[in-house]
Amino acid sequence: GQNIDQPTEMTATEGAIVQINCTYQTSGFNGLFWYQQHAGEAPTFLSYNVLDGLEEKGRFSSFLSRSKGYSYLLLKELQMKDSASYLCAVMDSNYQLIWGAGTKLIIKP
Amino acid sequence: IAGITQAPTSQILAAGRRMTLRCTQDMRHNAMYWYRQDLGLGLRLIHYSNTAGTTGKGEVPDGYSVSRANTDDFPLTLASAVPSQTSVYFCASSDEGRGVNEQFFGPGTRLTVL
Repeated sequence: GQNIDQPTEMTATEGAIVQINCTYQTSGFNGLFWYQQHAGEAPTFLSYNVLDGLEEKGRFSSFLSRSKGYSYLLLKELQMKDSASYLCAVMDSNYQLIWGAGTKLIIKP
Repeated sequence: IAGITQAPTSQILAAGRRMTLRCTQDMRHNAMYWYRQDLGLGLRLIHYSNTAGTTGKGEVPDGYSVSRANTDDFPLTLASAVPSQTSVYFCASSDEGRGVNEQFFGPGTRLTVL
């Protein structure tokens, strides 16, 4: 079957760095997405990786290793507004997104 | 309209009733999707449409139907609601075939079936 694993919850301190991991097993691979979802709101797109390596976008970076079925989202200089759930999703061979359950990130002052 | 809108925002429904959740986008995206989101689970695809006039089944299609008469609208119908369909429903769209193909989400409909 297809499976996306990510930690259920993480806690970090304002101003610090946090890494959210995602491992996947899917039928085919056509890219990996990270989305941010604040409580009670819709998911919003953060990043996309289809080739191995690091993609940097401001305070957020996303890494992919296709051979290991592994990705991480790195958030730097954490701000209170970064408190949200972070969703990892893989596009499979049918070009459908398979979603992880999300990682709830709690930022403490 | 800017982006994707959904209606209603929330609804309480008696079991056995019929309900249609509405979704409209103004981005001229060819692909549209319906997901449900339940606590502790990832988003699960109910139905999708790659282009106007075509639809397909996702991971959890039973009890739901969709139509795609035009590019902008993609309603989701529950023919006879059951309590297990209590969930938050998100509609999304994407511009398939161009670039990253990220999906854009509507604000969601919170549905409670009693």
